[in-house]
Amino acid sequence: SSELTQDPAVSVALGQTVRITCQGDSLRSYYASWYQQKPGQAPVLVIYGKNNRPSGIPDRFSGSSSGNTASLTITGAQAEDEADYYCNSRDSSGNSHWVFGGGTKLTVL
Amino acid sequence: QVQLQESGPGLVKPSETLSLTCAVSGYSISSGYYWGWIRQPPGKGLEWIGSIYHSGSTYYNPSLKSRVTISVDTSKNQFSLKLSSVTAADTAVYYCARNEYYYDSSGENPFADYWGQGTLVTVSS
Repeated sequence: SSELTQDPAVSVALGQTVRITCQGDSLRSYYASWYQQKPGQAPVLVIYGKNNRPSGIPDRFSGSSSGNTASLTITGAQAEDEADYYCNSRDSSGNSHWVFGGGTKLTVL
Repeated sequence: QVQLQESGPGLVKPSETLSLTCAVSGYSISSGYYWGWIRQPPGKGLEWIGSIYHSGSTYYNPSLKSRVTISVDTSKNQFSLKLSSVTAADTAVYYCARNEYYYDSSGENPFADYWGQGTLVTVSS
């Protein structure tokens, strides 16, 4: 079982805004990073730290955090955003171990 | 541009040792960063296996620690994974990735910024 909990599936209408959440005790102390994974491909980092996007990631992707919940928001979802999304952080013991959420399948309608 | 490429056998017999190597180009491992392994069973989510610093210090997933060894060869600019006593449950796509950290008042916040393409390892007799 994962120490980070994500909803298995979320859907959004084309052009609308969607929030994907990740819950876990470690998120009270640490930021989550977020990855997008399309079928048959390696994960791609989309958000890290407080709210940072790597070069090449569209600005419709943003991150936020409150209490034990981290969120990835896609403002104006596009068809190409349909993918699995995973959150990642340190485990709740505070050591250097990493944990991943179980993933959220985003469907763009 | 940093690139990572996994290599190793695609089929391993139960009870044997899985061995994979990750070749890094575009960056010298000896210059810094942690380097890690992450796996993904077919149709399932990501699981962190462990990470190694260029100096050789390691962190392992507690659930795999008794079976995992990660090592680094700075002369070849590569790092490796060994997973012993494998079973069908170890069948997965194995990714190598560069580990980075975002630092602020909260401390070290991990993320993986460069990933290999992944390699499927099947455990079967």
